[in-house]
Amino acid sequence: GENVEQHPSTLSVQEGDSAVIKCTYSDSASNYFPWYKQELGKRPQLIIDIRSNVGEKKDQRIAVTLNKTAKHFSLHITETQPEDSAVYFCAASMDTGRRALTFGSGTRLQVQP
Amino acid sequence: EAGVVQSPRYKIIEKKQPVAFWCNPISGHNTLYWYRQNLGQGPELLIRYENEEAVDDSQLPKDRFSAERLKGVDSTLKIQPAELGDSAVYLCASRGQGADTQYFGPGTRLTVL
Repeated sequence: GENVEQHPSTLSVQEGDSAVIKCTYSDSASNYFPWYKQELGKRPQLIIDIRSNVGEKKDQRIAVTLNKTAKHFSLHITETQPEDSAVYFCAASMDTGRRALTFGSGTRLQVQP
Repeated sequence: EAGVVQSPRYKIIEKKQPVAFWCNPISGHNTLYWYRQNLGQGPELLIRYENEEAVDDSQLPKDRFSAERLKGVDSTLKIQPAELGDSAVYLCASRGQGADTQYFGPGTRLTVL
């Protein structure tokens, strides 16, 4: 089955700096890659996603890049703010999300004011 | 639009006791997922329903876990008997037909003593 590895496990940045979280996946059949943000005690919430036919997607301060050949994808957050502090999970799925998501182990991002 | 609803939000039980979790997906979503999230980890799939049919239950420990989705709407996940290692957050998610995004409920935090 699919295996998703995520790095780093913790990330501390100063407010205004950029943050980058990286994930690799094992199954070349995976074609849908969402990123979820989970605040303490809250539900995971989708912040951005990308399909395998696209190399990059951007939404305001958040961007995701995908390298299908290398089987890795990354989340980029620019101009970080204290409210960006949370745990971020990458995930992968086949059939453009119809199958269950395989999640990475999460990255705890702390933005220092 | 109401999101995915789960109850109870918290449950504390003694080991060997039974426990049940309930999920009401977003209206019209025919795909429903149950995930388990251990502390500090990403969610892991337990079972996926397409309408009332369980189409992926390979990760469900069938000796003690059971699930049902009568009429293809609400779903119940049961553990009997519970073990100490079952302590986790149980997340329900739903997805609309033809859509990519899985929407998560707030989860039920189970503590087995």
